[in-house]
Amino acid sequence: AQSVTQLDSQVPVFEEAPVELRCNYSSSVSVYLFWYVQYPNQGLQLLLKYLSGSTLVESINGFEAEFNKSQTSFHLRKPSVHISDTAEYFCAVSASGNEKLTFGTGTRLTIIP
Amino acid sequence: DAGVTQSPTHLIKTRGQQVTLRCSPKSGHDTVSWYQQALGQGPQFIFQYYEEEERQRGNFPDRFSGHQFPNYSSELNVNALLLGDSALYLCASSSIAGGRGNEQFFGPGTRLTVL
Repeated sequence: AQSVTQLDSQVPVFEEAPVELRCNYSSSVSVYLFWYVQYPNQGLQLLLKYLSGSTLVESINGFEAEFNKSQTSFHLRKPSVHISDTAEYFCAVSASGNEKLTFGTGTRLTIIP
Repeated sequence: DAGVTQSPTHLIKTRGQQVTLRCSPKSGHDTVSWYQQALGQGPQFIFQYYEEEERQRGNFPDRFSGHQFPNYSSELNVNALLLGDSALYLCASSSIAGGRGNEQFFGPGTRLTVL
């Protein structure tokens, strides 16, 4: 069985400040890790994923996440946030990219102008 | 590429009724998964279809059933609706042939309200 814990339900951050959204997972098998973003009244969009190899993965819009196997974590970071980053962020795990995704409860990121 | 499409966008039903939601996968994808996202929660896996058969199932009652057609599109059926079935229903598609790392692409969802 797999589970995901997102430690913060809401994170308010000032514009242009750095942010870290925390994610911890539990699994008895090797997993693939994902971060999805959900803008208001929309579906989920893949932000970035870790499958294997380098533990640091990056997205095209400045987000990055680091896989830490010993701490079973996959925290999401951005050095400088923008108003457009306001959204709900979900961490998810899967035994493979094609199998069921197990999601955390989400973190609502609010950017303060 | 149209991506994953879902219909209808919104739906209002009353308790005890039945509902059918539809999903067309992204071009080139052969696998469809359905998720239920209650308000303020993360999506919960309902089931996955591949080659017109249910491949995996989450912890949902038999009132939730599905179907996949030869063109890979899929339907989610929910019988005997309960108030607690009110949620955003998300469809995701992927390609088994693409390998283990192939990601799932999500549609915009169908918002179901049960009164």
